[in-house]
Amino acid sequence: EVQLVESGGGLAQPWGSLRLSCAASGFNFSNYWMSWVRQAPGKGLEWVANIKPDGSETYYVGSVKGRFTFSRDNAKNSVFLQMNGLRVADAAVYYCARGFNWSFDFWGQGALVTVSS
Amino acid sequence: QSVLTQPPSLSAAPGQKVTISCSGSSSNIGNNYVSWYQQLPGRAPKLLIYENNKRPSGIPDRFSGSKSGTSATLGITGLQTGDEADYFCGAWDSTLIAYVFGTGTKVIVL
Repeated sequence: EVQLVESGGGLAQPWGSLRLSCAASGFNFSNYWMSWVRQAPGKGLEWVANIKPDGSETYYVGSVKGRFTFSRDNAKNSVFLQMNGLRVADAAVYYCARGFNWSFDFWGQGALVTVSS
Repeated sequence: QSVLTQPPSLSAAPGQKVTISCSGSSSNIGNNYVSWYQQLPGRAPKLLIYENNKRPSGIPDRFSGSKSGTSATLGITGLQTGDEADYFCGAWDSTLIAYVFGTGTKVIVL
């Protein structure tokens, strides 16, 4: 069974940092693109970033470029999202998702990130 | 700011059919695959349709997808109370070099 479990969410101050993790199981992790998608309270979905199976390429939505870093450790079946320079607008539930044929076929339960002073 | 436009809400009675539209451009829907997601209240999104019209294993054939030009459509037949949810379309945008989601449609079962 495919499982994605996020951790690391919480409260950060504006301009602060948080690191999200996503532990994957139930599939050959090193063969798949992985992504982060976020959803602000009461709002729609926003893709944040994705990473190639070998970690050699990453892509980001414009609003987080230069502040967020997406990485993976295929030996530990995990991906990470380092979030620096957090803004109030970054507050959201962050979902880890598996890439599949230009879609996302499995999602984690989400990690809540709150940004407030 | 979502690049793909969907109607905010649709409603229909149980057993009826609803169609949800998703309008984009040549940068996204026009030249890339469209996928659709269902998000039940308080839950993570779930993939319903990928590559415009394919259903993942376990998704009933009441759900169907189609694409024409720069627009896509999700159809739900035999509407059930359990289908009451938010639905989002999505596609890669070759100009933005980013994945974009639709604005979302809330389906209400009367």
